[in-house]
Amino acid sequence: GAGVSQSPRYKVAKRGQDVALRCDPISGHVSLFWYQQALGQGPEFLTYFQNEAQLDKSGLPSDRFFAERPEGSVSTLKIQRTQQEDSAVYLCASSLAYRDIGGDTQYFGPGTRLTVL
Amino acid sequence: AQSVTQPDIHITVSEGASLELRCNYSYGATPYLFWYVQSPGQGLQLLLKYFSGDTLVQGIKGFEAEFKRSQSSFNLRKPSVHWSDAAEYFCAVGPLMIKAAGNKLTFGGGTRVLVKP
Repeated sequence: GAGVSQSPRYKVAKRGQDVALRCDPISGHVSLFWYQQALGQGPEFLTYFQNEAQLDKSGLPSDRFFAERPEGSVSTLKIQRTQQEDSAVYLCASSLAYRDIGGDTQYFGPGTRLTVL
Repeated sequence: AQSVTQPDIHITVSEGASLELRCNYSYGATPYLFWYVQSPGQGLQLLLKYFSGDTLVQGIKGFEAEFKRSQSSFNLRKPSVHWSDAAEYFCAVGPLMIKAAGNKLTFGGGTRVLVKP
């Protein structure tokens, strides 16, 4: 079956522009995560959805970052007034997470590489 | 706060030789432990995970990892490396119980593996 897909794969933005990054999770996956991966570093958690509810947004670096998942499936990460420090790969992951016990495998998309000039 | 340390940024190994990647973690409670691999332009793929039971865990692609509670380590090993194993490897920890925080992962900085012919 299809895995997690993300679009666009590459995005170049001028400083100050708004961008929207899309994530299509695996069908039926309840949980959806966004991570930010700066060059040469490991991914860092941004935000988490359980169905359409955003239960944790503690990793969003500023109020310029906004994520939504209105119908509990596709999610969009929006960055307003982009800055150079926003340049990174943005990874989306989904998991079944139908229970309260951890350890469910997160399946990652290929990421969107954002470059802010 | 939880943290994951991968002391080796780069490792170069000859094809056919053995490989060991180090991972140390700091976590308030017993976590789930994961190893992911990331090939260029690809998303993260789960190699293996551990919570309890046998401290030696078998994964895909011939990888295994050993959990040592006394050392807070979860090192990844492969007895004989193939050229296709050249990639970046990430160790990660996740919570035992999801509750409202979600199964968010905390990643190490990664180890890039280069394979010499």
